[in-house]
Amino acid sequence: GQNIDQPTEMTATEGAIVQINCTYQTSGFNGLFWYQQHAGEAPTFLSYNVLDGLEEKGRFSSFLSRSKGYSYLLLKELQMKDSASYLCAVLDSNYQLIWGAGTKLIIKP
Amino acid sequence: IAGITQAPTSQILAAGRRMTLRCTQDMRHNAMYWYRQDLGLGLRLIHYSNTAGTTGKGEVPDGYSVSRANTDDFPLTLASAVPSQTSVYFCASSDDRGSGELFFGEGSRLTVL
Repeated sequence: GQNIDQPTEMTATEGAIVQINCTYQTSGFNGLFWYQQHAGEAPTFLSYNVLDGLEEKGRFSSFLSRSKGYSYLLLKELQMKDSASYLCAVLDSNYQLIWGAGTKLIIKP
Repeated sequence: IAGITQAPTSQILAAGRRMTLRCTQDMRHNAMYWYRQDLGLGLRLIHYSNTAGTTGKGEVPDGYSVSRANTDDFPLTLASAVPSQTSVYFCASSDDRGSGELFFGEGSRLTVL
């Protein structure tokens, strides 16, 4: 079966750096996506990786290793507004998005 | 710019009743989706539509139906609601089926008693 694993919850301190990991086993691969979801709100797109390596977008970076079935989302200079759930999703060979359960990130002052 | 609009935002429903969740997008996206989100689980695809006039079943389609009469609208109907359908429902759209960049509506919180 298809599976995406990410930690349920993480805690970090304002101003620090946090890395949220995601491992996947899917039928084929057409890209990996990270979404941010604040409590009670809709998910919003953050980043997309289809080739191995690091994609940087401001304070957020996302890394992919297809051979290891592994990705991480790196958040730098954490702000209180970064408190949210972060969802990892993989586009499989049928172009269906397979979603992880999400990682709830708690930022402490 | 509205993006995707869902209605109602929240609803309490008696078991056995029929309910339609509405979804409208103004981005002229070809593909649209209905997901449900439950605590501790990832988003689960209920139904999708690659383009107007076509629909397909997702991971958890039982008890739900959809239609796509035009590009903008993609309503989700629960023919006879059951308590296990208590969830938050998200409508989403993308340029096409092959895109993983989805735009989501604000969600509809449905409680079936």
